[in-house]
Amino acid sequence: GAVVSQHPSWVICKSGTSVKIECRSLDFQATTMFWYRQFPKQSLMLMATSNEGSKATYEQGVEKDKFLINHASLTLSTLTVTSAHPEDSSFYICSAPSDRGQRGYTFGSGTRLTVV
Amino acid sequence: DQQVKQNSPSLSVQEGRISILNCDYTNSMFDYFLWYKKYPAEGPTFLISISSIKDKNEDGRFTVFLNKSAKHLSLHIVPSQPGDSAVYFCAAYNAGNMLTFGGGTRLMVKP
Repeated sequence: GAVVSQHPSWVICKSGTSVKIECRSLDFQATTMFWYRQFPKQSLMLMATSNEGSKATYEQGVEKDKFLINHASLTLSTLTVTSAHPEDSSFYICSAPSDRGQRGYTFGSGTRLTVV
Repeated sequence: DQQVKQNSPSLSVQEGRISILNCDYTNSMFDYFLWYKKYPAEGPTFLISISSIKDKNEDGRFTVFLNKSAKHLSLHIVPSQPGDSAVYFCAAYNAGNMLTFGGGTRLMVKP
């Protein structure tokens, strides 16, 4: 089945540094990938839609200069949290549409970011 | 405006009993619905889905019911097992092929 690999699974960084999170579709091509952030009260918030070969589409309220998204190939999208602050600490999840039928989106395993 | 709502943030059920998770939506253009299960520190995994042309889909212990007139769907788990304890998200597709998620319901199945 479709697999989305997300790395790293957890990362701790200092305030002011940048962190890159990778999302790869392993056995299918993904022209579109989605980046979510999960807040402590469990809801999944769509941050942006990553489009291969073009600019990402950001949801309202998401700072595009802070959360840089690059979708350079059909199997790789990256999210870079720039100049990270403690309030950026969260659980970030990527996903890709795999099959409209049974599967819907396939999700990565998520990245726990802690900014100290 | 939340187009997909899960009004119960949490649900506690005894092992062996039925768990019923509810989801309401407002957009009549949604034509496909899914339930995802999520454990802590993991990405959501697909559980079961239903097309808007159906009113019921069953897969083992999991059944999803869709009431289009009420814009309501529910996930039934029977019998509930401790391993079912997780956060459950309902999600809906519209014609633009974008998934919209509800806020999630945390299910706790007590032994």
